[in-house]
Amino acid sequence: EAGVTQFPSHSVIEKGQTVTLRCDPISGHDNLYWYRRVMGKEIKFLLHFVKESKQDESGMPNNRFLAERTGGTYSTLKVQPAELEDSGVYFCASSSTPGRRKETQYFGPGTRLLVL
Amino acid sequence: DAKTTQPTSMDCAEGRAANLPCNHSTISGNEYVYWYRQIHSQGPQYIIHGLKNNETNEMASLIITEDRKSSTLILPHATLRDTAVYYCIVRVVRDDKIIFGKGTRLHILP
Repeated sequence: EAGVTQFPSHSVIEKGQTVTLRCDPISGHDNLYWYRRVMGKEIKFLLHFVKESKQDESGMPNNRFLAERTGGTYSTLKVQPAELEDSGVYFCASSSTPGRRKETQYFGPGTRLLVL
Repeated sequence: DAKTTQPTSMDCAEGRAANLPCNHSTISGNEYVYWYRQIHSQGPQYIIHGLKNNETNEMASLIITEDRKSSTLILPHATLRDTAVYYCIVRVVRDDKIIFGKGTRLHILP
């Protein structure tokens, strides 16, 4: 079974440019999460999709970040325009059914974003 | 904010058991103790979780004190590949997000 995949693995852009990150969850997982770690900080939650709906977007830092999950499969996270403080590692995770004892989130390898 | 306290770093000799402590004195009755780890350049990886009974799987054992205010993750025979940051997290299962703290950086020494 394929795990969570993320693309690209690395991205280097200039301040003011736009970047789009993609996450493909484990097949059949309705729940998709975005997290990020900025330099020297802890991993922070950004938002949670259930299928194509945003369940919780309380961690989104500002309106320069736009997440979508059309069709309830893969998700994209767009940063427009990118700022220096957006540099970090962006993780995606997926899970099957929250609320069950065995539920756990499976993480992808992350996208390393560097804004110059 | 994270509701757990962990040592910043620990060393363990290869082949020995690694015992990682975690304090969670304010844990609620419906909160589970979860452990994840992050190996360098990889995403966080689920290890184990439990409510009040001790748990064991192919990766590790989780020992939770009777009052549930602390727990210990045990890697029975640590290898160099177990070098990682280990996160202890308390969480209601139905919660959607994971709140990561700073974790413990475990170094396995050859």
